Amino acid sequence: GAGVSQSPSNKVTEKGKDVELRCDPISGHTALYWYRQRLGQGLEFLIYFQGNSAPDKSGLPSDRFSAERTGESVSTLTIQRTQQEDSAVYLCASSLPSGNQETQYFGPGTRLLVL
Amino acid sequence: AQRVTQPEKLLSVFKGAPVELKCNYSYSGSPELFWYVQYSRQRLQLLLRHISRESIKGFTADLNKGETSFHLKKPFAQEEDSAMYYCALLISNYKLTFGKGTLLTVNP
Repeated sequence: GAGVSQSPSNKVTEKGKDVELRCDPISGHTALYWYRQRLGQGLEFLIYFQGNSAPDKSGLPSDRFSAERTGESVSTLTIQRTQQEDSAVYLCASSLPSGNQETQYFGPGTRLLVL
Repeated sequence: AQRVTQPEKLLSVFKGAPVELKCNYSYSGSPELFWYVQYSRQRLQLLLRHISRESIKGFTADLNKGETSFHLKKPFAQEEDSAMYYCALLISNYKLTFGKGTLLTVNP
């Protein structure tokens, strides 16, 4: 079946602009996660959704970052007033309900470059 | 604080040689550890998890709580094993904390 998909695959934007990154999880996966990977670094957790609720937003680096999920499906990560340090690969993952070490399946990522 | 350390950024071996990718963790709770792999131009995917005690593609990893390690091993490396390998620690049943990764190159 189809895996996790993300769009766009690449995004170049100017400092100060807003960007929206989209994630389509695997059908039936109620848990959804956003991670960020800066160059040469490991993945950093940003936010976790269970259904449409986000019980853990602790990884969002600033109030310029927000995310939402609708219909227990698509999620959008929004970065307002982008800064150069926001340049990274943003990865989305989904899984069956968490709590039982369910495998997280990753999307291909969105590569964001802020000029 | 929770932390995963992969001390080697790069590891190069010859085909048929044994390979060991090191992973150490710091966590006050009961650790749940994973190895993820990313082949060239592919997405990140789970390789194995410690609770399964399984061997995938000839790789094994044993959790050593005394040494707080979860090293990934394979007795005979193959060229197709060349990839980026990430060790990850699961926190609170949902949050993965990753190491910075080790790029493994298996030379012919």
